[in-house]
Formats: sequence, structure tokens, C-alpha cells
Amino acid sequence: DGGITQSPKYLFRKEGQNVTLSCEQNLNHDAMYWYRQDPGQGLRLIYYSQIVNDFQKGDIAEGYSVSREKKESFPLTVTSAQKNPTAFYLCASSGMGQGNTEAFFGQGTRLTVV
Amino acid sequence: AQSVTQLDSQVPVFEEAPVELRCNYSSSVSVYLFWYVQYPNQGLQLLLKYLSGSTLVKSINGFEAEFNKSQTSFHLRKPSVHISDTAEYFCAVSGNTGGFKTIFGAGTRLFVKA
Repeated sequence: DGGITQSPKYLFRKEGQNVTLSCEQNLNHDAMYWYRQDPGQGLRLIYYSQIVNDFQKGDIAEGYSVSREKKESFPLTVTSAQKNPTAFYLCASSGMGQGNTEAFFGQGTRLTVV
Repeated sequence: AQSVTQLDSQVPVFEEAPVELRCNYSSSVSVYLFWYVQYPNQGLQLLLKYLSGSTLVKSINGFEAEFNKSQTSFHLRKPSVHISDTAEYFCAVSGNTGGFKTIFGAGTRLFVKA
């Protein structure tokens, strides 16, 4: 089945630790995205990538890092510099051609700082 | 630049009543428009989309939305809601010439009461 897979579903982090959230897609999409979702604030874009080995900061990139070494993979690292990392993180992918920009989402990772 | 405004953060409605979730957008280019639905602790799922052609688009579960270019709106409607429609709904826009990332509204929480 084609789709986008995030892991783990739940993640606990101690203060001061870096953690990496996985996102894999087999839809052959060029573009991939990471969003953060907090209650009542909708989706906020962290980073996005439109091509392998290239990515751009979104609206709230501070304290996060990403890599795009393969077309199908776009991991997100939440670093210790992120002061309030507890949130629901969503990964998405999309095509970039005409009529092909619909975003497909993973099931999300809920990160909790303990 | 593109933006999306969802005019209501929460919409309570009784079961079997009609509902309208409002969405307005701004864009300097022609657009594709989307509505997504999110159930608790899950990713977003595409509900319906407007790419071109008929301005009225419909989903398989009774929702419909109409693209109004003059009013830059894409409101979502359902003539009779069910308890199971309780969810968060996101309006989104992307440019229709390809290469544009999708911009999401802040979301509207639909709460259907018995």
C-alpha cells in the first residue's frame, strides 16, 4: 500500500535530550513537510523539502533540524534548544506538478517531555 | 503569497442539522483548494478538493464545498450532520502551477451534539 509512515506514535523525551522522529513515504513525492500541532493553533510549518539534499525553514524552525538524504525519507530532530517540544508532530508529502499538490499525511507522533 | 482564514474556531451543531464551515483565501496566483478532516490523535485525511472545472465539489460522505472566485471563498457544507462528523476540519490552498507548498488554515472544530 502506498502511503506515509511516521514512527514512533508516542515518544517521551527527557529535558536536554535530542530525539529524532521518523517519516517515510513510498508515494514517489518530491515534497515533504513537517508540521507541529498544538491545541487551538492549527498546523505550523517547521521545515519542508522539495528536492533531495535541500530543505527550507518554515515558520517555527528554531530548535529543530532535518535532513533529506533520500527522496522517501525526511527525519526531524527535536533538539535540546527547543524550549517547549511537547506537541503532536505531523509529516506530510505531496507532488509538485499541476494537479498534484494534494498533501498526504502520516498518523502523527505525539512527543512528551518528561 | 497565499493565506487561508477559517472564520470559526468552533462550530457546535445538533445532530441532523445543517452546517457550514467557512473558509476564505488570498493568493496572487490561481489556486487549488482542499478540505481535510482530522479525528483525535490521527493525521489529516483529504475530504474533498477543487482543482478546476465545476466549482461545486462533493465528498463521499455528504460534504460539499463551492469555489467562489469573486469572494475568494471555499465554504464547506453538509445538509444533515451525524455524531460521527465531530472532528477538526482544515481548509488549505496551494498554487496551481506546481512547486507551491500547501498553506493550511487554523482549523474549525465541529462538535455535533445529540
